[in-house]
Amino acid sequence: QSVLTQPPSVSAAPGQKVTISCSGSSSNIGNNYVSWYQQLPGTAPKLLIYDNNKRPSGIPDRFSGSKSGTSATLGITGLQTGDEADYYCGTWDSSLSAGSYVFGTGTKVTVL
Amino acid sequence: EVQLVQSGAEVKKPGESLKISCKGSGYSFTSYWIGWVRQMPGKGLEWMGIIYPGDSDTRYSPSFQGQVTISADKSISTAYLQWSSLKASDTAMYYCARVVEYQLLGFHNWFDPWGQGTLVTVSS
Repeated sequence: QSVLTQPPSVSAAPGQKVTISCSGSSSNIGNNYVSWYQQLPGTAPKLLIYDNNKRPSGIPDRFSGSKSGTSATLGITGLQTGDEADYYCGTWDSSLSAGSYVFGTGTKVTVL
Repeated sequence: EVQLVQSGAEVKKPGESLKISCKGSGYSFTSYWIGWVRQMPGKGLEWMGIIYPGDSDTRYSPSFQGQVTISADKSISTAYLQWSSLKASDTAMYYCARVVEYQLLGFHNWFDPWGQGTLVTVSS
């Protein structure tokens, strides 16, 4: 069971905006940086956001990330059918002696 | 182009051993961590562990410590994930990814790019 909680699903019509939350604690999100990944059906995950709010080259500015306290948020504007995918947050968790990277529970985005 | 290419799908019986691979190209293989991630059928992503090919420093998730072995051969830019005795519950897709990791006012870690995945099926 992951220590990072995401809503199981979110949906919106094409062109609309969705936000995906990622809730953690001071041992993970509160003191470390968050990244976000998109997994299209049947494919490997792809990096969307790193260091809370930075986009790798090639990722459109429709995707944005933010962090406040022990929660992070991924925003997708101008929703397209090609955005239908599972989205995961991830960060380092320092609660165990050696630490461990943790992924969120995942959120399925549906374009209505 | 930075690329990670994984070995092909495997079908094994319980109790058998297995070693899958992940070959990096297009960057300095010894300068970045390589991570392994499990995805069981219909489930989310689970971090298994990472290795720094430059000096073979390895860290495991507590959930996978003792269950798998992560290694690397820097001479051929390849990382490995191996099992000595597979169980049916090891059936999953396994991904490798290049990891950027450093500490500066907190941990900075991200996985990019990812390999295409290796499907491991364990069945009698």
